[in-house]
Amino acid sequence: EVQLVESGGGLVQPGGSLRLSCAASGFTFSSYSMNWVRQAPGKGLEWVSYISSSSSTIYYADSVKGRFTISRDNAKNSLYLQMNSLRAEDTAVYYCARQNPTTVTGHDAFDIWGQGTMVTVSS
Amino acid sequence: SYVLTQPPSVSVAPGKTARITCGGNNIGSKSVHWYQQKPGQAPVLVVYDDSDRPSGIPERFSGSNSGNTATLTISRVEAGDEADYYCQVWDSSSDHPVFGGGTKLTVL
Repeated sequence: EVQLVESGGGLVQPGGSLRLSCAASGFTFSSYSMNWVRQAPGKGLEWVSYISSSSSTIYYADSVKGRFTISRDNAKNSLYLQMNSLRAEDTAVYYCARQNPTTVTGHDAFDIWGQGTMVTVSS
Repeated sequence: SYVLTQPPSVSVAPGKTARITCGGNNIGSKSVHWYQQKPGQAPVLVVYDDSDRPSGIPERFSGSNSGNTATLTISRVEAGDEADYYCQVWDSSSDHPVFGGGTKLTVL
């Protein structure tokens, strides 16, 4: 079964750090670009970060640039998000999502999502 | 940055057809993807590349895209289709994905 499982969420104080993990199974993880997408309570989806299959290309949303770092370990079939200098507005469910290459532009859909992990930033 | 505009809510009676729009500047030139999200669950891809359906998605779900508007059409709506629906494209200028604000579909 193709699956993504996030972990590492929790309660953290403003200014603190947290590292999220996403474990992939059921597919060749090293062949796919991956993303982190978050959803604040009662709000819509917000893309956070992208990493290509080989880690050669990385993008961040402006809202997290300079504070968050995406990485992956293809040998461990795992995706990570290191979050530093956390703010109250980073409170959200964080999803990892697989990008399925169907377009020549690379502007693909996210076809597999994890169940999400909740991050709460509060004192 | 590229902006996608969706109506906050759409209501439809069971068995009828629901149409959820996604507006954006010349969106017809982009590939549009649609996600369904039920309360407490992760999003699920229901239409990709404007009008293709992933395996397991009913034929009742279809998509179109032209000009400044993309549309997700759900035929013969069922109670189980009640959910939030999000459109998504990639902003060519930044090469970042962008989501619409979401539309809550209510089945009357």
